[in-house]
Amino acid sequence: AQTVTQSQPEMSVQEAETVTLSCTYDTSESDYYLFWYKQPPSRQMILVIRQEAYKQQNATENRFSVNFQKAAKSFSLKISDSQLGDAAMYFCACHSGGGADGLTFGKGTHLIIQP
Amino acid sequence: ETGVTQSPTHLIKTRGQQVTLRCSSQSGHNTVSWYQQALGQGPQFIFQYYREEENGRGNFPPRFSGLQFPNYSSELNVNALELDDSALYLCASSLEGRDTEAFFGQGTRLTVV
Repeated sequence: AQTVTQSQPEMSVQEAETVTLSCTYDTSESDYYLFWYKQPPSRQMILVIRQEAYKQQNATENRFSVNFQKAAKSFSLKISDSQLGDAAMYFCACHSGGGADGLTFGKGTHLIIQP
Repeated sequence: ETGVTQSPTHLIKTRGQQVTLRCSSQSGHNTVSWYQQALGQGPQFIFQYYREEENGRGNFPPRFSGLQFPNYSSELNVNALELDDSALYLCASSLEGRDTEAFFGQGTRLTVV
């Protein structure tokens, strides 16, 4: 079984600034994946970034990067140069690599971008 | 666009009724998962279908059932609806063996009154 905890219900950042969203997880699996998903008001879950647990290098996708601390079971998302279109709910999720148990999601962080 | 479409977008049902939600996956995606997202919560895994067979299930009762068809479409059926079943239902499809690269639909908002 896996658990994912997001301790920040809401975060606010000025446009063009940097913001970091926190996530901790717990899993007994050695092979697992971590994700950040964005859910705008349109409701569709959009994959922002993915990290394989066996990779030490932190994943990066343009303005989005993660800080993956495996020993601490921490997986934070950094958004640089925040844009108005980044405003959304952000969900951290975990998936065990070999299983058919689906994704385990946190409760989400509502990100507000101040113009 | 993810190529995954769900219908209907909104639905209102009465407690005790039955409902069928539909999902059309990307061509070639033979794995589909369904999630329930209650208001203010993250999605919860209901079950997964692979090649038309259920191969994984979350903590949901048997009145939640599904079907997957050869044409990459699938259904979620919920019997004996309860008020707590009111939620956004999301489907996610992926290629064989790559369910860590799932593409989500826009969801169906179900309200049970």
